[in-house]
Amino acid sequence: NAGVTQTPKFRVLKTGQSMTLLCAQDMNHEYMYWYRQDPGMGLRLIHYSVGEGTTAKGEVPDGYNVSRLKKQNFLLGLESAAPSQTSVYFCASEFYRNTEAFFGQGTRLTVV
Amino acid sequence: AQTVTQSQPEMSVQEAETVTLSCTYDTSENNYYLFWYKQPPSRQMILVIRQEAYKQQNATENRFSVNFQKAAKSFSLKISDSQLGDTAMYFCSTTRRGGSQGNLIFGKGTKLSVKP
Repeated sequence: NAGVTQTPKFRVLKTGQSMTLLCAQDMNHEYMYWYRQDPGMGLRLIHYSVGEGTTAKGEVPDGYNVSRLKKQNFLLGLESAAPSQTSVYFCASEFYRNTEAFFGQGTRLTVV
Repeated sequence: AQTVTQSQPEMSVQEAETVTLSCTYDTSENNYYLFWYKQPPSRQMILVIRQEAYKQQNATENRFSVNFQKAAKSFSLKISDSQLGDTAMYFCSTTRRGGSQGNLIFGKGTKLSVKP
């Protein structure tokens, strides 16, 4: 079982470049989330989606955009990368709220 | 702001011994959920245990159990018979206020080292 798959696993960007992180889940989950993890900060929610075609802002949405055109995919975009966006990004999904969130393996992004 | 506090940034335990990780949280909800997640060096986030706040009985999963004190808003994790594979970051989390979105707030984590 693939579960939640994130691509890429590592990326280095120059300031001002753009990129898209892809999250794909094969569990037919309704809810999907993007978090960032910084040292000493735990995980913080960037954006989330409660179903195909819906997205909403989390606690740290600035500088990011998302799309959920297909139920199984949740894309996170950085239009103009900044060094402050250097972080490890996690995608997660769950079938229904408050059940069990399944996480991808993370993407380590460095912006230089 | 809603918060989850893990007061122990780092802990260590000898293999086969028992260790307890602390967590306190802030919520005004009556019905909510609490979780402990484990993040080993592989970086994968793994659910360890889940507690529903309306259930008085403490959740257990094999060597992992919780001490849930609702009035005190405390949710500690006990690991019995610690194993080397338990070495990881442990994150306490709870459902966000207005949690119809089902998303989680995380503490800053406790780094647990199990020593042989």
